Amino acid sequence: SQTIHQWPATLVQPVGSPLSLECTVEGTSNPNLYWYRQAAGRGLQLLFYSVGIGQISSEVPQNLSASRPQDRQFILSSKKLLLSDSGFYLCAWSVLGARRSGNTIYFGEGSWLTVV
Amino acid sequence: QQQVKQSPQSLIVQKGGISIINCAYENTAFDYFPWYQQFPGKGPALLIAIRPDVSEKKEGRFTISFNKSAKQFSLHIMDSQPGDSATYFCAAFSSYNTDKLIFGTGTRLQVFP
Repeated sequence: SQTIHQWPATLVQPVGSPLSLECTVEGTSNPNLYWYRQAAGRGLQLLFYSVGIGQISSEVPQNLSASRPQDRQFILSSKKLLLSDSGFYLCAWSVLGARRSGNTIYFGEGSWLTVV
Repeated sequence: QQQVKQSPQSLIVQKGGISIINCAYENTAFDYFPWYQQFPGKGPALLIAIRPDVSEKKEGRFTISFNKSAKQFSLHIMDSQPGDSATYFCAAFSSYNTDKLIFGTGTRLQVFP
């Protein structure tokens, strides 16, 4: 069965410090990968998605970046964090090309980031 | 046109009551409509989903009603329980678009005993 691992689970970082959140998926090949952000009590904002190694699409302009160095690895980074970057970050995956069967997205457990 | 509008933002229901959450969309290319349930501090999990070729889908106490002409769909939770207290997100997907779901803004449901 497929599983998704995301870490760290919680993170407190000072303003201006770098960020690296990592996500890996097991049990599937060539998945679509996503990074979402959820502010406290708010909806899900898609930040990045990737349909393959090195292929990253950005949904919103920001000081965050994403990379996909391996098929099942997705990394969210920042060189300098802002206070507004605080939130709950969720990695997710779906089956590539599962258009007619519906694109069910499976989420990880999330990473709480507090920028102080 | 890519938005999915969800209401209400929050909902309080007594145990045993019916919880109803509504969503509306504009893009007629959407052809898959899942609902996600999220407990505090956890990632959202798929709850139930429907395609526009059926008007209703039921799984246990959870039912999706779909009105294609009105471009609306709703989640009904029958006999609501305190364990159903969570945030619910509707979503929409188009087979003709890139592989991403468009999520509603979420509804926080609280079921009181």
